[in-house]
Amino acid sequence: EVQLLESGGGLVEPGGSLKLSCAASGFTFSGYAMSWVRQAPGKGLEWVSGVGGSGSVTYHADSVKGRFTISRDNSKSTLYLQMNSLRAEDTAVYYCAKGCDTLCYRVDHWGHGTLVTVSS
Amino acid sequence: DIQMTQSPSSLSASVGDRVTITCRASQDINNYLAWFQQKPGKAPKSLIYAVSSLQSGVPSKFSASGSGTDFSLTISSLQPEDFATYYCQQFKSYPFTFGPGTKVDVK
Repeated sequence: EVQLLESGGGLVEPGGSLKLSCAASGFTFSGYAMSWVRQAPGKGLEWVSGVGGSGSVTYHADSVKGRFTISRDNSKSTLYLQMNSLRAEDTAVYYCAKGCDTLCYRVDHWGHGTLVTVSS
Repeated sequence: DIQMTQSPSSLSASVGDRVTITCRASQDINNYLAWFQQKPGKAPKSLIYAVSSLQSGVPSKFSASGSGTDFSLTISSLQPEDFATYYCQQFKSYPFTFGPGTKVDVK
């Protein structure tokens, strides 16, 4: 059974940093692209960042480019999102999402999410 | 960037109703279209990929169709567990944008 368990969310002040983790199990982690998708309170889904199975290919939405960095450690089956220069508008539930193949970013499984609150 | 729109933004329906939601892409996305269901306070759930293929375990009351820029999701007979918000997403090119969602609630 595919399981994705996010951690690392919390309250941070504007301008601060936070690192999210997603521990994956139930599948061959290195064989699948992974993404982070967020949802601000009361809003829709926003794709944030994606990384290919090997970790060499990464994408970031314009809204986070230069501030967020997605990475993965295939030896630990763990996905990361380093978030710097956080803003109030980054407040959201962040979901870890499994892709359908090494470079396929279609989501077939979702984590339960971790809440990030940016506030002073 | 490819923009995704959905209509309606919300609809009210009764148990047993047939419901159709539409999704439109700002440019041709071939069949790189997926649908998701989200209930309040829960993570999204993957329903359909490649326009019309059901994710494993998704009941056949869900169906979808479309091509190019225009797509639709149909629930053949709405059940209490189907009241939720539905999102489409294109995965043809980065950034992999979602539609704004369609909320299906009880009439």
